[in-house]
Amino acid sequence: DARVTQTPRHKVTEMGQEVTMRCQPILGHNTVFWYRQTMMQGLELLAYFRNRAPLDDSGMPKDRFSAEMPDATLATLKIQPSEPRDSAVYFCASGLVTYEQYFGPGTRLTVT
Amino acid sequence: KQEVTQIPAALSVPEGENLVLNCSFTDSAIYNLQWFRQDPGKGLTSLLLIQSSQREQTSGRLNASLDKSSGRSTLYIAASQPGDSATYLCAVALIQGAQKLVFGQGTRLTINP
Repeated sequence: DARVTQTPRHKVTEMGQEVTMRCQPILGHNTVFWYRQTMMQGLELLAYFRNRAPLDDSGMPKDRFSAEMPDATLATLKIQPSEPRDSAVYFCASGLVTYEQYFGPGTRLTVT
Repeated sequence: KQEVTQIPAALSVPEGENLVLNCSFTDSAIYNLQWFRQDPGKGLTSLLLIQSSQREQTSGRLNASLDKSSGRSTLYIAASQPGDSATYLCAVALIQGAQKLVFGQGTRLTINP
């Protein structure tokens, strides 16, 4: 049963600390997305990659967020420095062009 | 800018009823529309995907329709069960932007035994 996996599932950190979230997309999927979910804003797209190349990161605060795909099996989202307003659930999703997106279980981030 | 709206925001019905969830979007230039289910504290589970050239898709007790010209989709749930209680989200994949998903705010559904 192929699934998107995300680590860690929960992260509590202090303001100013670096946070790294990892995602393993479903094998064979060539598109990877990072979303953020909050009560106020709902689900927002932060960035996405196709064939490991970043296509759009316009949803991310550029000064503190960065997203990379070191290889086809790993996507990372990094926040440095973290702020309390970054507290949210971060989802990774993967898919193929024109087909469904499959979501991971999410990383619940709390910045104090 | 594409905007997706879901009405109602919350719905509570007795078990066994058939129900319809609504989704509307402002720009008809879409690749596809996807319906998701989200349980509290969990990730999203894909329920149905309708390509822009299709009118409807069915899976078990679920039927989703798409009227692209009017910017509307509905999710029909037949013979509702308490296990159907969850938040249902619709999302449209944009043509401009290689299938970026734009989500609605969701409908929180409660099925009462």
